[in-house]
Amino acid sequence: EVQLVESGGGLVQPGGSLRLSCAASGFTVSSNYMSWVRQAPGKGLEWVSVIYSDGTTYYADSVKGRFTISRDNSKNTLFFQMNSLRADDTAVYYCAREGQGYGREFDYWGQGTLVTVSS
Amino acid sequence: SYVLTQPPSVSVAPGQTAKITCGGNNIGSKNVHWYQQKPGQAPVLVVYDDSDRPSGIPERFSGSNSGNTATLTISRVEAGDEADYYCQVWDSSSDHHYVFGTGAKVTVL
Repeated sequence: EVQLVESGGGLVQPGGSLRLSCAASGFTVSSNYMSWVRQAPGKGLEWVSVIYSDGTTYYADSVKGRFTISRDNSKNTLFFQMNSLRADDTAVYYCAREGQGYGREFDYWGQGTLVTVSS
Repeated sequence: SYVLTQPPSVSVAPGQTAKITCGGNNIGSKNVHWYQQKPGQAPVLVVYDDSDRPSGIPERFSGSNSGNTATLTISRVEAGDEADYYCQVWDSSSDHHYVFGTGAKVTVL
């Protein structure tokens, strides 16, 4: 059974850093395209980053240069290093696996971890 | 950047049909996916590649896509279908970005 479990969220001051983790089971992270998607309180879904199976990464303009996506193949875990955090980064962060089809959909999601940026 | 527009809300009586639209420039040329999100829960994929359903999703959920509008149709609506629904595409023209619609709240009367 495919499972994704995020951790690492919490309260952080503006300008601070946080590292999110997403532990996967039931499949191999390094063989799939994996993304982080966030949702600000009461708002819609916003894609923020992807790492392809070949290691190529892409970021939304809103986080480019501040956040870094990576993975540890030995731990089958996805990471998201978030630096220079701002109030508008406050959101629930979900990790999501891209499906095997052609259309680039997200077929499995974690339960999310809340990041609150506030002084 | 590519924009997907959804109505903020859709109201439907139990047993009736709900149609949720997703508007985008020439969206008919893209693969559209739909997610259901209930309060406090993660999104769930209900339709992918315009009209395919993942295993476990009822046949009541169907999709179509043509021209500038994609549509998610929920037939024989049940109280448990009340949720937010988001459309999504992959936009190869914008640095490999994934785009979500603005979201539509479906209320079962």
